[in-house]
Amino acid sequence: DQQVKQNSPSLSVQEGRISILNCDYTNSMFDYFLWYKKYPAEGPTFLISISSIKDKNEDGRFTVFLNKSAKHLSLHIVPSQPGDSAVYFCAASDGYSSNTGKLIFGQGTTLQVKP
Amino acid sequence: NAGVMQNPRHLVRRRGQEARLRCSPMKGHSHVYWYRQLPEEGLKFMVYLQKENIIDESGMPKERFSAEFPKEGPSILRIQQVVRGDSAAYFCASSPLPGTNTEAFFGQGTRLTVV
Repeated sequence: DQQVKQNSPSLSVQEGRISILNCDYTNSMFDYFLWYKKYPAEGPTFLISISSIKDKNEDGRFTVFLNKSAKHLSLHIVPSQPGDSAVYFCAASDGYSSNTGKLIFGQGTTLQVKP
Repeated sequence: NAGVMQNPRHLVRRRGQEARLRCSPMKGHSHVYWYRQLPEEGLKFMVYLQKENIIDESGMPKERFSAEFPKEGPSILRIQQVVRGDSAAYFCASSPLPGTNTEAFFGQGTRLTVV
């Protein structure tokens, strides 16, 4: 049972354009969502997060949007840079209710930004 | 301020041997998580530990796998009698206060290969 889904295995965009990565979830108990970036042979690096009480969070070139009614979130990267090329994982947590902080990850989307 | 340290980075074991993976959390973090990433998949939660306690082991295989986080020293993920299907990247993450919706910081992982 895949509670967090990233339906696009890969995405290719031109440098300077917008990258939009999508994520869907099924568990309505999730109240905190995170995006991690991962390079080959390295551990995931935290990018940005959003609480379920918000619908948008912005940090520099990265913005995460949350649509609770659709159980959907997206990560926007503007402008995209070649160094953004990596695998991006969406993750969710039901931290307030479970108090464990464990993360449920999507399968990942490989982003390639072409110069 | 050192990040999450995992060792070894690479581990090769023959079928039937034991594998021991170590994780030292970030300074000040007393909550440790272990995740496993099989090839072409996302990260899957295995176990959540606090010092000397296993809090949530719902993702751990029922046999051969165990984890500990002693009062002194690193957290250990132990896999007995390894099989080829155990080949994966094992990531450790630490957090200062789970359940308060703060991001977990990941180590670089241990890549286990069973031959």
